[in-house]
Amino acid sequence: GQNIDQPTEMTATEGAIVQINCTYQTSGFNGLFWYQQHAGEAPTFLSYNVLDGLEEKGRFSSFLSRSKGYSYLLLKELQMKDSASYLCAVKDSNYQLIWGAGTKLIIKP
Amino acid sequence: TAGITQAPTSQILAAGRSMTLRCTQDMRHNAMYWYRQDLGLGLRLIHYSNTAGTTGKGEVPDGYSVSRANTDDFPLTLASAVPSQTSVYFCASSGGASTGELFFGEGSRLTVL
Repeated sequence: GQNIDQPTEMTATEGAIVQINCTYQTSGFNGLFWYQQHAGEAPTFLSYNVLDGLEEKGRFSSFLSRSKGYSYLLLKELQMKDSASYLCAVKDSNYQLIWGAGTKLIIKP
Repeated sequence: TAGITQAPTSQILAAGRSMTLRCTQDMRHNAMYWYRQDLGLGLRLIHYSNTAGTTGKGEVPDGYSVSRANTDDFPLTLASAVPSQTSVYFCASSGGASTGELFFGEGSRLTVL
């Protein structure tokens, strides 16, 4: 079966750096997405990786290793507003998105 | 630009009743999707439409139906609601099935009693 694994919850301190990992087993691969979802709101797009390596976008970076079925989202200079759930999703061979359950990130002052 | 609009925002429904969740997008996106989100689970695809006039079943289609009469609208109907359909429902769209990120509506919280 297809599976996306990510930690259920993480805690970090304001101003610090946090890395949220995602491992996947899917039938085919056509890209990996990271979304941010604040409580009670809709998910919003953060990043997309289709080739191996690091994609940097401001304070957020996303890394992909297709051979290892692994990605991480790196958040730097954490702010209180970064408290949210972070969803990892992979497009499979049929271009359908398979979603992880999300990682709830708690930022403490 | 409104993006994707869902209605209603929340609804309490008696079991056995029917309900249609509305979804309208103004981005002229070809592909549209309905997901449900439950605590501890990832977003699960209910139905999708790659283009107007076509629909397909997702991971959890039972008890739900959709139609795509035009590009902008993609309503989701529960013919006879059951308590297990209590969830938050998100409508989403993308430029194409194989391209681009998803844009989500604000969600519809449905409680079936």
